[in-house]
Amino acid sequence: QVQLQESGPGLVKPSQTLSLTCTVSGGSISSGDYYWSWIRQPPGKGLEWIGYIYYSGSTYYNPSLKSRVTISVDTSKNQFSLKLSSVTAADTAVYYCAREPITGTTRYYFDYWGQGTLVTVSS
Amino acid sequence: QSALTQPASVSGSPGQSITISCTGTSSDVGGYNYVSWYQQHPGKAPKLMIYEVSNRPSGVSNRFSGSKSGNTASLTISGLQAEDEADYYCSSYTSSSTYVVFGGGTKLTVL
Repeated sequence: QVQLQESGPGLVKPSQTLSLTCTVSGGSISSGDYYWSWIRQPPGKGLEWIGYIYYSGSTYYNPSLKSRVTISVDTSKNQFSLKLSSVTAADTAVYYCAREPITGTTRYYFDYWGQGTLVTVSS
Repeated sequence: QSALTQPASVSGSPGQSITISCTGTSSDVGGYNYVSWYQQHPGKAPKLMIYEVSNRPSGVSNRFSGSKSGNTASLTISGLQAEDEADYYCSSYTSSSTYVVFGGGTKLTVL
């Protein structure tokens, strides 16, 4: 059974960089059959897709966040990471990592999610 | 404001059926069969319930079904149970550069 687990600081100061890591267990992040995404949910609000990474390192980001987002992968540790720079209170949210199957024509949905981690932006 | 439009809330009694709508445009819901639905209980991660409009992942009850007509997708839950009370989100691929968009979510109350 695949499991994803987010980790990182729960409090970040305004203008600083938010950094989170997702550790994947029960499966290899180097499988070519998946994209690995970050998705966030502000308190009491809906979901927003942030971006994805492939095991090779190729990425794609939500244009609304692209200038501030970097997603990287460490296949030796079976982890991928999110960095969001110049954060403000609007970036306060629960951040989820998730897996997207990309086999054949199957695409564009997330079958496994981490439990989520709340990141608060405050001084 | 979310890209896909869902009703804020729906309700039903145990045993009844309810339908949650998800309205988009020809650039997302209407143009592709890549609509998915997620169930989220309070404080929990979203759980995939339907993918590619009408496919159920292994382990999801057949009481959950999905469909699409034009720019509107629908999630139907039959034989409502107390455990179905949760928030439900739709999602779709979009031909805009955003890649994937979500609805604002619908709170299902089982009366």
